[in-house]
Amino acid sequence: DSGVTQTPKHLITATGQRVTLRCSPRSGDLSVYWYQQSLDQGLQFLIQYYNGEERAKGNILERFSAQQFPDLHSELNLSSLELGDSALYFCASSVDRGADITDTQYFGPGTRLTVL
Amino acid sequence: AQKVTQAQTEISVVEKEDVTLDCVYETRDTTYYLFWYKQPPSGELVFLIRRNSFDEQNEISGRYSWNFQKSTSSFNFTITASQVVDSAVYFCALSGQGAQKLVFGQGTRLTINP
Repeated sequence: DSGVTQTPKHLITATGQRVTLRCSPRSGDLSVYWYQQSLDQGLQFLIQYYNGEERAKGNILERFSAQQFPDLHSELNLSSLELGDSALYFCASSVDRGADITDTQYFGPGTRLTVL
Repeated sequence: AQKVTQAQTEISVVEKEDVTLDCVYETRDTTYYLFWYKQPPSGELVFLIRRNSFDEQNEISGRYSWNFQKSTSSFNFTITASQVVDSAVYFCALSGQGAQKLVFGQGTRLTINP
């Protein structure tokens, strides 16, 4: 158990809908990261938040957005869903001691999203 | 740009064999970090090791060992006396200077047959 929790575990929805994925980081970790794992793209970084502020963005679609709340949990919002958004979405967290150090990222169990 | 290549898509061996998973990386940064993660059939990503670019010492943890060679930009992972429970997809990942995000390789699916 990494200490990172994600809900829900599974999500099945229809095209055009909007969903919210939730993540709680390990105790003491200030950074939260979102990754998408799909068969064709592999594991890809989407976005990072550090202590409530967006720190880095990857190949995140404009239909996707995220935020990190004062209690450090994070939510990833996916809207206008398409079939191609079906994937495993991981949240990870790290201590994040500074820009020159990459601390270990511990991953949650993931949310499997199926868009029908 | 950062890139990680795991050329072995799938490996299948018989239990108790030794197996090496290859990882080659590309980066222009002088400071960077390398990682290995394991993804068992249950789907979660399990952290195995983190190594920074200034530490080229090989590491051994039980049946697992890692060989980091900057000269060939490789960070290979060896499992000695493999067991069925080692069956999983293994990912190598890279993080560059000043960036926390991980760039993953495509993964190697390892199957250990009894």
